[in-house]
Amino acid sequence: DTGVSQDPRHKITKRGQNVTFRCDPISEHNRLYWYRQTLGQGPEFLTYFQNEAQLEKSRLLSDRFSAERPKGSFSTLEIQRTEQGDSAMYLCASSDAGGTLSGNTIYFGEGSWLTVV
Amino acid sequence: GENVEQHPSTLSVQEGDSAVIKCTYSDSASNYFPWYKQELGKGPQLIIDIRSNVGEKKDQRIAVTLNKTAKHFSLHITETQPEDSAVYFCAATHWGFNKFYFGSGTKLNVKP
Repeated sequence: DTGVSQDPRHKITKRGQNVTFRCDPISEHNRLYWYRQTLGQGPEFLTYFQNEAQLEKSRLLSDRFSAERPKGSFSTLEIQRTEQGDSAMYLCASSDAGGTLSGNTIYFGEGSWLTVV
Repeated sequence: GENVEQHPSTLSVQEGDSAVIKCTYSDSASNYFPWYKQELGKGPQLIIDIRSNVGEKKDQRIAVTLNKTAKHFSLHITETQPEDSAVYFCAATHWGFNKFYFGSGTKLNVKP
């Protein structure tokens, strides 16, 4: 399978704990995005990387959230001191920005479900 | 920023009927409009997209139309099948593709 891969798929954590999600994009894609989705809503933009550079962050990304993409390959999203309001599905997507005409399309992974209890 | 509104929030059709989902956007600079299908517990899957230089695009039973003047675009599914049942999201962005704005989704139920 050469699609976007996310791990873990499900995570249940106690409030106050830290969690980390990993995303492996489609191999030739230079852009990587993180979105958050709550029940009954569309995905909301959190941040994106062009290669290893984090170029934009949403106001939704509080100080407790940090994302990295070392070497421009996989990415991690860490949430520190989790709160119940962080419960959501965290989606990773990638694209080949600047590539072919259809290359700018973003392709999503299956998501990582977070439940904070 | 961009604001995308999607209607209806739920849609129930009989198998074989057509389904239409509509979206409006606010930013006239938006020029790329993808549609995604999301099944329960899975990530959104791209089903069709359209760029602002065309008014209509078709792929088998699925078509998308775009009216740039009115700033709205629609998804049309013909000859619906039970496996079309899912949540559908529209999205909008402009050249640069650094941020996609999504509608709130339409839950389509195709009754056999």
